Amino acid sequence: SQTIHQWPATLVQPVGSPLSLECTVEGTSNPNLYWYRQAAGRGLQLLFYSIGIDQISSEVPQNLSASRPQDRQFILSSKKLLLSDSGFYLCAWEEDSNTEAFFGQGTRLTVV
Amino acid sequence: ELKVEQNPLFLSMQEGKNYTIYCNYSTTSDRLYWYRQDPGKSLESLFVLLSNGAVKQEGRLMASLDTKARLSTLHITAAVHDLSATYFCAVNNAGNNRKLIWGLGTSLAVNP
Repeated sequence: SQTIHQWPATLVQPVGSPLSLECTVEGTSNPNLYWYRQAAGRGLQLLFYSIGIDQISSEVPQNLSASRPQDRQFILSSKKLLLSDSGFYLCAWEEDSNTEAFFGQGTRLTVV
Repeated sequence: ELKVEQNPLFLSMQEGKNYTIYCNYSTTSDRLYWYRQDPGKSLESLFVLLSNGAVKQEGRLMASLDTKARLSTLHITAAVHDLSATYFCAVNNAGNNRKLIWGLGTSLAVNP
């Protein structure tokens, strides 16, 4: 069966520090991968999605970037965090655009 | 541009009562998803609705889809406290790389 791992679960980082969040999927190949952010409130904001290695689309211009160095690995990064980057970050995968997305456990990032 | 509206955004109900959450979307789509999110947790897939008239049920929750009206409903029967959570609908944007467009969520509180 397929599983998705996302880490760390919580993170407190100072303003201006770098960020690296990692997400890996097991039990499938060539999944579509997504990074979402959920700010206090509830709405989900799509940040990046990827349909294959090194194929990444950015949805919102910001100081975040994403990379997919391997088929089942998706990394969210920042060189310098802002206070506004605080939120709940969720990685998700789907087999293709015709199936439902499954979410990782999320990373709660607090920038101080 | 595809928009997804959920209502109500907040719902407080008594145990044993029935209620319906609505999800309207603005343009043609070929699938709709319902997710549940417990406080501080990730999203869990509940239902995938693929065609007009589709109805799916799981326990006290039943979801339906009317593609002509661009409306999905999530009906709660005889609510219990364990159903307290935030419920999201998401619609596949068939005309734009097939990304999901999310509603803002309905926060449901079931009170004894």
